[in-house]
Amino acid sequence: EPEVTQTPSHQVTQMGQEVILRCVPISNHLYFYWYRQILGQKVEFLVSFYNNEISEKSEIFDDQFSVERPDGSNFTLKIRSTKLEDSAMYFCASSDGINYGYTFGSGTRLTVV
Amino acid sequence: ILNVEQSPQSLHVQEGDSTNFTCSFPSSNFYALHWYRWETAKSPEALFVMTLNGDEKKKGRISATLNTKEGYSYLYIKGSQPEDSATYLCAFAQSGGSYIPTFGRGTSLIVHP
Repeated sequence: EPEVTQTPSHQVTQMGQEVILRCVPISNHLYFYWYRQILGQKVEFLVSFYNNEISEKSEIFDDQFSVERPDGSNFTLKIRSTKLEDSAMYFCASSDGINYGYTFGSGTRLTVV
Repeated sequence: ILNVEQSPQSLHVQEGDSTNFTCSFPSSNFYALHWYRWETAKSPEALFVMTLNGDEKKKGRISATLNTKEGYSYLYIKGSQPEDSATYLCAFAQSGGSYIPTFGRGTSLIVHP
């Protein structure tokens, strides 16, 4: 069964450093998403990406965040200057369309120290 | 911010018991309701996407119903097994806006052998 893969599975970074989280969505899916879950809290929407551009973003997705699909397969989330409160599990997901469920990756646990 | 509530927060049942839990969401501008199963150390797995009032979906021993007029969905598990132990997430998508689903906090189910 097709999978969404994410790397790395765990990243520890110092406050103020930049991190790039990587995702390979399912190849024939058209919609891509990033979500995060801070420990003990809800899964929160960050951004959706369609047709090579951001289609929606949440209030969380401020100027320190950016997404790219640099080569038609990878989908990356960059956090420019990490803060302690960015520590969370970050999930990438893809879907065939808005009427379909998401296929999630296994997540990247980001720890900012 | 959409209010998507799940209850109970956690549930312990014995193997063989049938169980159910609830997802509540706004009753206006309904578009879709997703259910996901999230096992520890794995990624959330799509169970159902429900779009019509009165929808009933079934997958093995798991089924779900939808009432969009009153804003709730029930997930039922018949004859719970230890492998059903997981967090069950619902996510509500509203029309007239972004259609991006908002997740509830989840119901954590533990099935004791």
